[in-house]
Amino acid sequence: DTEVTQTPKHLVMGMTNKKSLKCEQHMGHRAMYWYKQKAKKPPELMFVYSYEKLSINESVPSRFSPECPNSSLLNLHLHALQPEDSALYLCASSQEPAQLFSGNTIYFGEGSWLTVV
Amino acid sequence: AQSVTQLDSQVPVFEEAPVELRCNYSSSVSVYLFWYVQYPNQGLQLLLKYLSGSTLVKGINGFEAEFNKSQTSFHLRKPSVHISDTAEYFCAVSDLLEYGNKLVFGAGTILRVKS
Repeated sequence: DTEVTQTPKHLVMGMTNKKSLKCEQHMGHRAMYWYKQKAKKPPELMFVYSYEKLSINESVPSRFSPECPNSSLLNLHLHALQPEDSALYLCASSQEPAQLFSGNTIYFGEGSWLTVV
Repeated sequence: AQSVTQLDSQVPVFEEAPVELRCNYSSSVSVYLFWYVQYPNQGLQLLLKYLSGSTLVKGINGFEAEFNKSQTSFHLRKPSVHISDTAEYFCAVSDLLEYGNKLVFGAGTILRVKS
């Protein structure tokens, strides 16, 4: 069973809506990640948080806004999205930030399916 | 930047037959390699990883992979597959960025196990 929990599992939103995806882990991990996976494609990294600070932003458009309220929670705020942003959004975590050890196992949640209409 | 190439987009195989899913990585001084599985409509689950040491790595669900530095390969194998192994399999490498590392995934291989 995954120990990274994502809500909601499915989200349909209009292009003018504001919504949020939420992620929670209770494994004491200090790094958390957002990945985006388009249909029939591999996951692509969006953001990395290390010790609750944003350490990597892979040139993601500003309509995606991450937030890490504490070490267990990670949010992704969505605003003015486009239909091409429809995808599976995967949250993940690892024990140590990748800067300390790049061989960490990254644990993924089951994802949030986002459809932008 | 590191990269991985999965040579087969789909692999059909009969139940109880052996299977090999191929992965080649871009050469580097040191490399950390991973295999993840994604069942339909689910997230990714780690099957196994190579960090160092023994080149034969055993993972969950009866899978194993062999790290071959001379051929820059990290192929995944299972001696006898089950219907339940039907899924998409991703090979990944840990790539070093200025402020950290990230997993870089291959394009994926869909394993279809037929009865």
